[in-house]
Amino acid sequence: GAVVSQHPSRVICKSGTSVKIECRSLDFQATTMFWYRQFPKKSLMLMATSNEGSKATYEQGVEKDKFLINHASLTLSTLTVTSAHPEDSSFYICSAQTRPRNTEAFFGQGTRLTVV
Amino acid sequence: AQSVTQLDSHVSVSEGTPVLLRCNYSSSYSPSLFWYVQHPNKGLQLLLKYTSAATLVKGINGFEAEFKKSETSFHLTKPSAHMSDAAEYFCVVSVSYNTDKLIFGTGTRLQVFP
Repeated sequence: GAVVSQHPSRVICKSGTSVKIECRSLDFQATTMFWYRQFPKKSLMLMATSNEGSKATYEQGVEKDKFLINHASLTLSTLTVTSAHPEDSSFYICSAQTRPRNTEAFFGQGTRLTVV
Repeated sequence: AQSVTQLDSHVSVSEGTPVLLRCNYSSSYSPSLFWYVQHPNKGLQLLLKYTSAATLVKGINGFEAEFKKSETSFHLTKPSAHMSDAAEYFCVVSVSYNTDKLIFGTGTRLQVFP
């Protein structure tokens, strides 16, 4: 199946700094990618929909100024956690889908962010 | 609005015995439903999907699920559990017919004892 690569897999940063997470579709073009956050022992919460060439669409309650999403090309979306706080520590996962719609979503391997 | 409810947060079985992970859905249209598996600190892998074709869906690793509209259920089963099946399982529904947004259930942790 299609491959989505997420980098880094783990990152530790200091409070107040920013961290960028990359999500790449390696063998297909993805006009839309999705960013999820997973709290410990919890389900995945959709944070935002990343649209190539336009602004991301954020879910209710997600701070767009804190979680900056850029989808500059058909194979790359980035999530930047700005001014990170310890409560931002979490597992972040991206996904992308090929066409047609409602077929399988391919997920990245996730990024474990720890803010100290 | 679409939603899924996973009825068990934790299921424990012995190796070689059947597995049943329960999922009920709510949808205002004919939904697309999925089961994903997540091993510790890993991404998600698709086990199987239902997209309005056959109601009994066969997936990878011996798993299957049956779409029952009358019961609004999409339970995941496997005849014989293996130790490697121990993981977190998510029942997932698509938000609407014309988007790719997915809504995840709360997950069921499957433990397999020798």
